Amino acid sequence: GAVVSQHPSWVICKSGTSVKIECRSLDFQATTMFWYRQFPKQSLMLMATSNEGSKATYEQGVEKDKFLINHASLTLSTLTVTSAHPEDSSFYICSARRRENTEAFFGQGTRLTVV
Amino acid sequence: LAKTTQPISMDSYEGQEVNITCSHNNIATNDYITWYQQFPSQGPRFIIQGYKTKVTNEVASLFIPADRKSSTLSLPRVSLSDTAVYYCLVGGAGGSYIPTFGRGTSLIVHP
Repeated sequence: GAVVSQHPSWVICKSGTSVKIECRSLDFQATTMFWYRQFPKQSLMLMATSNEGSKATYEQGVEKDKFLINHASLTLSTLTVTSAHPEDSSFYICSARRRENTEAFFGQGTRLTVV
Repeated sequence: LAKTTQPISMDSYEGQEVNITCSHNNIATNDYITWYQQFPSQGPRFIIQGYKTKVTNEVASLFIPADRKSSTLSLPRVSLSDTAVYYCLVGGAGGSYIPTFGRGTSLIVHP
């Protein structure tokens, strides 16, 4: 299957700082990318959907000014957690999908710890 | 979006066949059924996808009855490394598909 690479795999940051997570589709053009958050022992929660070249669509309850999503090219989307706080500590996962495809491919996830 | 219901957990032993059933009573005509596997601290991995009847690949089989209101993921001869959470997703073809996860089934394979 297609490869989606997420970077970094883990990051520790101080409270109040911002962290950027990258999601790349390595061997296909992803017209749509998704960002999820997963807390321990829970399922993946969709945070936002982004289409290349347009603004992301955020799920209800997700602060768009806190979780900045940029999908500037067909192979790269970034999630920036601004002014991170300990409650933002979680496992963040991205996913990418071709326009015509029903199959979504997932990155390996990023473990964010805010101290 | 069609909601899915799966057992929260299952236990099995090495070498056994495991069948995980997912209920999706409100599946739409153009919805596909996709199963993912997730290990701790990793992203979900695609296992298999189907629309109707039976689909088989090198790791699993997917059985879908005629009414498509449920589906069964079959894992032949599981090993300890199959211990993971398995998610059943239902979604439409093309640009409308947004992978939405339910609670999943935690499968534990015992020696």
